[in-house]
Amino acid sequence: AQSVTQPDIHITVSEGASLELRCNYSYGATPYLFWYVQSPGQGLQLLLKYFSGDTLVQGIKGFEAEFKRSQSSFNLRKPSVHWSDAAEYFCAVGSISNFGNEKLTFGTGTRLTIIP
Amino acid sequence: EPEVTQTPSHQVTQMGQEVILRCVPISNHLYFYWYRQILGQKVEFLVSFYNNEISEKSEIFDDQFSVERPDGSNFTLKIRSTKLEDSAMYFCASSLDGRNTEAFFGQGTRLTVV
Repeated sequence: AQSVTQPDIHITVSEGASLELRCNYSYGATPYLFWYVQSPGQGLQLLLKYFSGDTLVQGIKGFEAEFKRSQSSFNLRKPSVHWSDAAEYFCAVGSISNFGNEKLTFGTGTRLTIIP
Repeated sequence: EPEVTQTPSHQVTQMGQEVILRCVPISNHLYFYWYRQILGQKVEFLVSFYNNEISEKSEIFDDQFSVERPDGSNFTLKIRSTKLEDSAMYFCASSLDGRNTEAFFGQGTRLTVV
């Protein structure tokens, strides 16, 4: 069965500093990988996704992530964080069921705090 | 921009009562999902729905749960007899097709069972 590990429960960075959120996955086939962000009181918003092709994917809000098959990782990065990036970040792996629909398995999330 | 909407945003119910959580998926989407997030835990898949039937369900989705698309626009999750451990944030999601496309999530319904 697929699984996702986000080893960092909480990360604090200074505004303007770079950010890397870690994600490791376990999945038997080529994974579909996602990063979602959840701001307080909000739903889950997709930041970026990897299905195939270029292993460095660009997302919204200046985020990017790199798929590394050898390390089973899909880490999220941003060169310079803004106070508005404070939120909970979830990595997820998608698996295709027998019916062709994609089910997401989420990690436990990383809470990002930004300090001035 | 089209969005998935969920009502109510917060529901408090007594243990043993039935609740219905409502969702309006994006209009041209074909696949619908419910996920839940118990406070402090990960988001968990409950059920997926396609062509008016359940396509997959998790172990969590037992006989107390049911889903329905009653009128072609709404997608509901019913919990027949709520338990304290059903307290969670419930997210509805929809996708255009079943693979290689983004699942759009609603803002969630916080269910509190007392």
